[in-house]
Amino acid sequence: DIQMTQSPSSLSASVGDRVTITCRASQDIRNDIGWYQQKPGKAPERLIYVASNLHSGVPSRFSGSGSGTEFTLTISSLQPEDFATYYCLQHNGYPRTFGQGTKVEMK
Amino acid sequence: QVQLQQWGAGLLKPLETLSLTCAVHGGSLSGYYWTWIRQPPGKRLEWIGEISHVRSTSYNPSLKSRVTISIDTSRERFSLNLRSVTAADTAVYYCTRFSPSVGYTWFDPWGQGTLVTVSS
Repeated sequence: DIQMTQSPSSLSASVGDRVTITCRASQDIRNDIGWYQQKPGKAPERLIYVASNLHSGVPSRFSGSGSGTEFTLTISSLQPEDFATYYCLQHNGYPRTFGQGTKVEMK
Repeated sequence: QVQLQQWGAGLLKPLETLSLTCAVHGGSLSGYYWTWIRQPPGKRLEWIGEISHVRSTSYNPSLKSRVTISIDTSRERFSLNLRSVTAADTAVYYCTRFSPSVGYTWFDPWGQGTLVTVSS
């Protein structure tokens, strides 16, 4: 299995802060990764596809980068509705695997 | 806009079979991989497996001996069966659609989730 190591597992931030979350893959996954946001009691929602492409309707403060084994999700200016848990998900190999999640909490 | 609606039993006893169904509203089943994912309490999301409209399947090796995913194209729905459940199978189960188009790969939309609890 491809292991996805996501960091940090949690962070505290304030509205307006810049937030960066990292995922490292245990092997080269090219750019076959997506980022998802999950709020309590809800299903995950797509943010970024193929490492760096913003899904339609997702605010431009979200961005993704990376290729190979290192990937980042950045929120340029954290908004109140962004407090949630974020997951990376690789679809380069089977089984598909997730990072352990990053919970973004209010400072 | 495609929507997924899922349902199934939420409380099971050990060794029973978990059965969930996901209906696809507003879109075609062809060209996608119909997927089940679960989230145990406090743990990361786990990919269970997928099926295409021509019934090609892939399963997580950790569950492969107990899992069957099936599809009913005439009724536009797909299902998950997980046999011989234990407490470790307690989780929220989600159905979702995987788009495999090169450069446009993603999991979207998602069902609303079903909490399945295994307890004697």
